[in-house]
Amino acid sequence: GENVEQHPSTLSVQEGDSAVIKCTYSDSASNYFPWYKQELGKGPQLIIDIRSNVGEKKDQRIAVTLNKTAKHFSLHITETQPEDSAVYFCAASKRRVDNQGGKLIFGQGTELSVKP
Amino acid sequence: EAQVTQNPRYLITVTGKKLTVTCSQNMNHEYMSWYRQDPGLGLRQIYYSMNVEVTDKGDVPEGYKVSRKEKRNFPLILESPSPNQTSLYFCASRGGLATEAFFGQGTRLTVV
Repeated sequence: GENVEQHPSTLSVQEGDSAVIKCTYSDSASNYFPWYKQELGKGPQLIIDIRSNVGEKKDQRIAVTLNKTAKHFSLHITETQPEDSAVYFCAASKRRVDNQGGKLIFGQGTELSVKP
Repeated sequence: EAQVTQNPRYLITVTGKKLTVTCSQNMNHEYMSWYRQDPGLGLRQIYYSMNVEVTDKGDVPEGYKVSRKEKRNFPLILESPSPNQTSLYFCASRGGLATEAFFGQGTRLTVV
């Protein structure tokens, strides 16, 4: 089955620096790659996603890149701020075929700490 | 307001006492899932459902049951809870495979 590996598990940066989190996936049929942010005491929330027909997507200070050949994708946060401190999860999903598919598989999470 | 509602938020129970964690969504989503979150292991899928009466095992289904009799509800059942099921549980729903998943607030379960 699909496996998603995420690195690093913890990341500490100074305010204003950039942060990069990397994920690799195993199933070449995966075609949807979202990133979620989880703040303390809350459920994860989607911050950005990318589909397999696109190599890069940006939304203000956040960008995601996808390399389908290498089966890895990355989250880039620029000009980090203390409120970016949270746990970030990558995930992968693929098309449904009959009653197979539909799983959204998550990485292990990265705890990002932005120091003022 | 679009939301996924889980209950209870916190639960302490004893080994072997059957319990149910409820999950309800108001977005008419087809797909619903249960995850457990443990330190260093991320979010692991327990069960998921692609529509009413269609469910399948995730990566860690042992010791859990689910049902999907109505589109909006997807309860998680622990027939005989054990201490290794102490965890933080999340229910999630989404309208399609390549769309945003909405998560509930989580249920912190402790089995003693």
